[in-house]
Amino acid sequence: SQQGEEDPQALSIQEGENATMNCSYKTSINNLQWYRQNSGRGLVHLILIRSNEREKHSGRLRVTLDTSKKSSSLLITASRAADTASYFCATENSGGSNYKLTFGKGTLLTVNP
Amino acid sequence: SAVISQKPSRDICQRGTSLTIQCQVDSQVTMMFWYRQQPGQSLTLIATANQGSEATYESGFVIDKFPISRPNLTFSTLTVSNMSPEDSSIYLCSAGTGEGGEQFFGPGTRLTVL
Repeated sequence: SQQGEEDPQALSIQEGENATMNCSYKTSINNLQWYRQNSGRGLVHLILIRSNEREKHSGRLRVTLDTSKKSSSLLITASRAADTASYFCATENSGGSNYKLTFGKGTLLTVNP
Repeated sequence: SAVISQKPSRDICQRGTSLTIQCQVDSQVTMMFWYRQQPGQSLTLIATANQGSEATYESGFVIDKFPISRPNLTFSTLTVSNMSPEDSSIYLCSAGTGEGGEQFFGPGTRLTVL
């Protein structure tokens, strides 16, 4: 079953602008991860944030986590055309989940040159 | 990190036939998983492939339809049995260390059932 709900479902911006995607989830988690998928291909891991962390940075990526609201956001700064892809959040649920990930529905980001 | 390959990359199959998808990891990993991604949709976990024992299936997926093997720590297969057009999807293999970290994904197998 789907755990995460991404918002928006689709986002179109100009190169150089920032892109913000949000993810909400329903149960307690060990960590939350963001992945990128280009055009129906395999997923690439972007960043992982643990339940006791509030913010994490990696290059042009910034992720926040609010466990009280069960939500996360992914910010991509100074976007490039190459950032065009689908972005998924995935949660590793706590309580004996055996490291399984539950994926959200994804946000399709289009960066126009 | 781990590099994952899948074979075949794509296939077109007839209704009622079966297809076996192979997943090879370039290093020993603890966890291997199989996902299905229907057109324009997100990923749904089919099962966890357990080394040397029966796979653990998620709700809505059964062994008779999706038999899985994992004979060692670097290789797994997923068979899609008695296919129907509703099985047309991308099937993805992933692997992880089982330490609450990231999963590494294969490029996927794009299956079309006519």
